[in-house]
Amino acid sequence: DTEVTQTPKHLVMGMTNKKSLKCEQHMGHRAMYWYKQKAKKPPELMFVYSYEKLSINESVPSRFSPECPNSSLLNLHLHALQPEDSALYLCASSQGGGSNYGYTFGSGTRLTVV
Amino acid sequence: DAKTTQPNSMESNEEEPVHLPCNHSTISGTDYIHWYRQLPSQGPEYVIHGLTSNVNNRMASLAIAEDRKSSTLILHRATLRDAAVYYCILRDWGGSEKLVFGKGMKLTVNP
Repeated sequence: DTEVTQTPKHLVMGMTNKKSLKCEQHMGHRAMYWYKQKAKKPPELMFVYSYEKLSINESVPSRFSPECPNSSLLNLHLHALQPEDSALYLCASSQGGGSNYGYTFGSGTRLTVV
Repeated sequence: DAKTTQPNSMESNEEEPVHLPCNHSTISGTDYIHWYRQLPSQGPEYVIHGLTSNVNNRMASLAIAEDRKSSTLILHRATLRDAAVYYCILRDWGGSEKLVFGKGMKLTVNP
């Protein structure tokens, strides 16, 4: 298995809703990442998990809450989002955090906040 | 991470080779050069990476200048499926866990 699987592929949520994005990989990768991508912009790093521990939070608002239940799973819990949070949310994994490893990305969850 | 500079866009013709340039004049001795691409409506895809020597894989070749201040991603025979945004990224060996994307370069492949 050489894929990163993200679910759901599309999500529409209201500003008072609570929802979660899920990411799964079975490549034995020890680092996992969340990125946010607005239309026609490059992906922006949000969070880095290394060996199931949060190692980098790029000053992301607390309405985004990441969780890494085990080495294969990464969740992003969403609460009280704003319309400007509408974007493509990408999950990625890599064998390690070092620069000699490539990242494998999922296809993303397209989130619309109404 | 050190900065890279790419053209905003390039065009190529199907079945012809394509050379995608990247300048990184402030590269340090421990920076790896990574290339990713993102096809429409998909997540980024790893293409290739290298440190000093030229590298080849099934997708592309990476030619690194002797002074390492520039590199070129070579697609040997462009197909319509190669139309994407290509990102050239420097990553410090043993440095940050971050993979930071710049603006990238849009490649259009004409049939």
